[in-house]
Amino acid sequence: DQQVKQNSPSLSVQEGRISILNCDYTNSMFDYFLWYKKYPAEGPTFLISISSIKDKNEDGRFTVFLNKSAKHLSLHIVPSQPGDSAVYFCAASAQAGNNRKLIWGLGTSLAVNP
Amino acid sequence: GAGVSQTPSNKVTEKGKYVELRCDPISGHTALYWYRQSLGQGPEFLIYFQGTGAADDSGLPNDRFFAVRPEGSVSTLKIQRTERGDSAVYLCASSLLGRTSPLHFGNGTRLTVT
Repeated sequence: DQQVKQNSPSLSVQEGRISILNCDYTNSMFDYFLWYKKYPAEGPTFLISISSIKDKNEDGRFTVFLNKSAKHLSLHIVPSQPGDSAVYFCAASAQAGNNRKLIWGLGTSLAVNP
Repeated sequence: GAGVSQTPSNKVTEKGKYVELRCDPISGHTALYWYRQSLGQGPEFLIYFQGTGAADDSGLPNDRFFAVRPEGSVSTLKIQRTERGDSAVYLCASSLLGRTSPLHFGNGTRLTVT
């Protein structure tokens, strides 16, 4: 069973508009969430993270929102750029010392059209 | 600076053979992780090293899989009696200690078992 779910396999947006990528989780023990971006033939690259004690974290064009009651988080990219076209993974971890045993979603493929 | 280096980038082997996959982490990163990613899936945790010791190997699928990190730097993932189901991209990541230290991934080794 998928503990981290990304229900949209793909998303297409126009350059300059907002991209919203969604992620749901089922395990209430998760307390740290991350978004990674992946280009073909490369490893995932860390984008942004959020702790469960917060509901929003912003870094430049990227903002992550966390709704703990709904077990839902989203990544907003504003404005979207063609270079943002990639697969985006949502990942989560539960409190376990230094062990970063991340549980990953299946990814959402974002295409930003010029 | 140099990122996480994985060799080889591609490996084709016959069913039943033994393979070794190498990971050279970022200098100074104490934590090292192996993940496996099958087509259309998110990365799946295999094993985590803190220094030289395997702090968590709960993700290794069976006893054909083994990993070492003898000097606390380079790690080798070893797969005995390979099976076609072992075909995947094997990702290595490293990080500083601490739950909020992001993982830095290599580009992976694509293993194909024929």
